[in-house]
Formats: sequence, structure tokens, C-alpha cells
Amino acid sequence: AQSVAQPEDQVNVAEGNPLTVKCTYSVSGNPYLFWYVQYPNRGLQFLLKYITGDNLVKGSYGFEAEFNKSQTSFHLKKPSALVSDSALYFCAVRGGSGNTGKLIFGQGTTLQVKP
Amino acid sequence: DTEVTQTPKHLVMGMTNKKSLKCEQHMGHRAMYWYKQKAKKPPELMFVYSYEKLSINESVPSRFSPECPNSSLLNLHLHALQPEDSALYLCASSLLTGSSGNTIYFGEGSWLTVV
Repeated sequence: AQSVAQPEDQVNVAEGNPLTVKCTYSVSGNPYLFWYVQYPNRGLQFLLKYITGDNLVKGSYGFEAEFNKSQTSFHLKKPSALVSDSALYFCAVRGGSGNTGKLIFGQGTTLQVKP
Repeated sequence: DTEVTQTPKHLVMGMTNKKSLKCEQHMGHRAMYWYKQKAKKPPELMFVYSYEKLSINESVPSRFSPECPNSSLLNLHLHALQPEDSALYLCASSLLTGSSGNTIYFGEGSWLTVV
């Protein structure tokens, strides 16, 4: 069965510092990995995805994510955090053997960027 | 344009009321989804429509009744709801369900409160 783990409930970082939000996955076969962001009282916004190809994926708002097959990880990164990046971040996976196309979400990580 | 539009944004209904949530997309997507989200939790899949036909029902109680009148519209009819059904209801769409690499795009959601 497919699963996604986000080991940190909350990540705190100072504005201007680099940030990392961690995600590991478990799926048999090739994974399709996604990051979404949810600002307070809003819907989910798509940030980026890994399908195939380069392990470093660039997305919206200066975010990027690194796919690491050997560590089954897909960590979200940004070189310089902004206060406006404070939000709830979800990692998700689709695909793999027997998958019906359902998006399997991690539990979410709250990112708090302090001025 | 990656917009999924949901109405109403907020809905308060009594346990004996009948109401509907509406969703619209004009991206040519042929898969549409309803998700339910509780505060600070990941979205939970409720229903999937593929080519206007219901393809997945995640054992949702019959007091929730989906409808897909055409390829652009998705409704969720609500009747005899319980207070625990209060949540954010998210509509989403994607090109097809069968290709797991396709991105699922979410609307801003409808906040439902059952009193």
C-alpha cells in the first residue's frame, strides 16, 4: 500500500534562512510525488511535482524539491524563507502498482517563518 | 488558467435542511473530485467522477449525494447532515484519473457548518 510520511508537525525558521520540509514515501513501482500548500482559510494550491527525469524539481514561489529514490524522500526546500511562506504544506503521492490514481496525502507540516 | 470555482464559500445549515455545493471548471478536465477536510488535517477523498460517471465512492454516507451534470460542473447535494459533517469541502479536477502523473487542482473550498 502507498503511504506518505511528514515527520515534522511544525517547522520554524527565521525569515531569510533556508527552509526544508521533509517527506518520505512508500510505494511499489514508480511514484508520482506532489507538494501542495494551504494558506489559512484557503484551498490547496499546487506547488510542484516529480514525474520522471531530473531529481531536482522547481516549482512556484521559489520552492524546489529533491527526489531521492534510495532514501525514498521528496523534501521541499527554499533558499530564503519569507514570512508569507507561513502555511500548511502537504506532500502527496500517486501511482505505483495497483494504484487507482488516488492522491495519498501526508499528515501535513505547518511552516512558521518568523521575521 | 488552473481555476476551480466553488460556491458558496460559506454555508450554515440545519440538520433537516437540504442544500447543495457547486463546483465548476473550464480547463477541459474529465476527472472531478470531492474531498472533505477537517482543520489542520489532510483532505479525505469522498467521490471521483471520470467522464461524468461516478468511478469512486469512498463509502460516503448517503446523506451526501454527488452529481455531475456535465464535464464542467460537479454538485454535492446535502441532506440530513450531522454536526460532525461540518468541514471544508474541496472540489478538485484533473485531466484524467488513469494517468497518475496528472496534477489535481483544487478549488478554494466551501466551509460548511451544520447546526
